[in-house]
Formats: sequence, C-alpha cells, structure tokens
Amino acid sequence: QVQLQESGPGLVKPSETLSLTCTVSGGSISGFHWSWIRQPPGRGLEWIGSFYSTGTTSYSSSLKSRLTISADPSKSQFSLRLSSVTAADTAMYYCASHDDAFDIWGQGTRVTVSS
Amino acid sequence: DIVMSQSPDSLAVSLGERATINCKSSQSVLYSSNNRNYLAWYQQKPGQPPKLLINWASARESGVPDRFSGSGSGTDFTLTISSLQADDVAVYHCQQYFSTPYTFGQGTKLEIK
Repeated sequence: QVQLQESGPGLVKPSETLSLTCTVSGGSISGFHWSWIRQPPGRGLEWIGSFYSTGTTSYSSSLKSRLTISADPSKSQFSLRLSSVTAADTAMYYCASHDDAFDIWGQGTRVTVSS
Repeated sequence: DIVMSQSPDSLAVSLGERATINCKSSQSVLYSSNNRNYLAWYQQKPGQPPKLLINWASARESGVPDRFSGSGSGTDFTLTISSLQADDVAVYHCQQYFSTPYTFGQGTKLEIK
C-alpha cells in the first residue's frame, strides 16, 4: 500500500525559501499525479499545486510566482520550493496522490514562518 | 476559480440521528461527456490528514461505512450520515476536481449533541 511522508524544516525565517519533500513508499511515483495542499491553523484546505504523471505542473495562481514543484522518480520523492515566505505561509503542509480526488495523504508537516 | 461553499459551518446531532451537510459550487462540476460530477467529500479528525470518503459525488471509497452517502449533481451536493456514531465527530470538507485550481469548501464541524 502506498504511503506518503512529508519532511522539511519546521521553522523558516521570513523572506527565505521553504523546501519540503514527500517520500513515497510501497509504490512507484511514476504514472500517478502528486499534489501539495496546505491548511493554515484553524482554517480550511488550500491546494498549492500538482505534478502530473505527464511531467507537467499546475500551480495556484496566488503562489505561482514563488512556487516550484518537481519530482525525482529515482528517489521516489517529489518536492516543493516556496520562495520569499511570509507569516501567511504558516500552515500544515500535506502531500497527496490522486488519479482524480486526493485519495492518499501524508500525515503532514507543520511549517511556521517566524524570525 | 470555482468557489465551494458549505453549510452549515457547524452542526450538532444526537447519536443515532441523521446528519446532513450541504456543498454548493459556483459553477457546475458535471462533465457532460461522461456525466460525472467531479466532487469529493473528506473527513478530517483532529490531528489527522483528511480522509477521502466519497468520490464522483456519490461513490463511497472502499472501507467507508455505508451510513455515509453522497448525492447531488451540477452545483448542489449533500453528504448524509444516516445514523451518527461517536466516531463520526470530525470536520467534513467538499472539494471539486473539475478544474484547477482545485478548491475546497470551508469545512463543516460535526459534533455530538
């Protein structure tokens, strides 16, 4: 059974770049779609962006200028880089796989942006 | 962007009673070529990631109890829990995957009365 595990720094300073990795176990990263979703404290879910099985990406328009999502099949990982972070980027960050709806989720990694 | 709106924001229901959560999309999520509604429901318990309950508006995921059901088409959808159990206390989210950006409702918090 496919499992996802997010990893990354829990604390990032304002204006720095946030880098997160999602490691996939129990299955291949190839042939599936992969997404990042975040949830600010006490708030709803926000789709960040997706890496599709075709190798293409799609990003939230509000984050597009700061965002890069990529995949490394050799490591069974996909990653997120978000530059110039502010306090508004403080959230729980989830990775998820999907054919259509998000059917498999990681446990999430909490990211706080603070000096 | 397709805006998803859920009602109510919170709901308290007695054990064994029916719980109903509504979700409305700002435009249709029904794809005419395959007659499928690109609408999902998730359950999120405290400290846990969301769990997919229902796909295509009404298709229960494997292992989801049959007291959970989804209905609706186009822009109006409903998640129904036919007989509330204590384990069902959670926040429920609807989500459209008809088009990017994929968008979620604000969530409905379900509690025991």
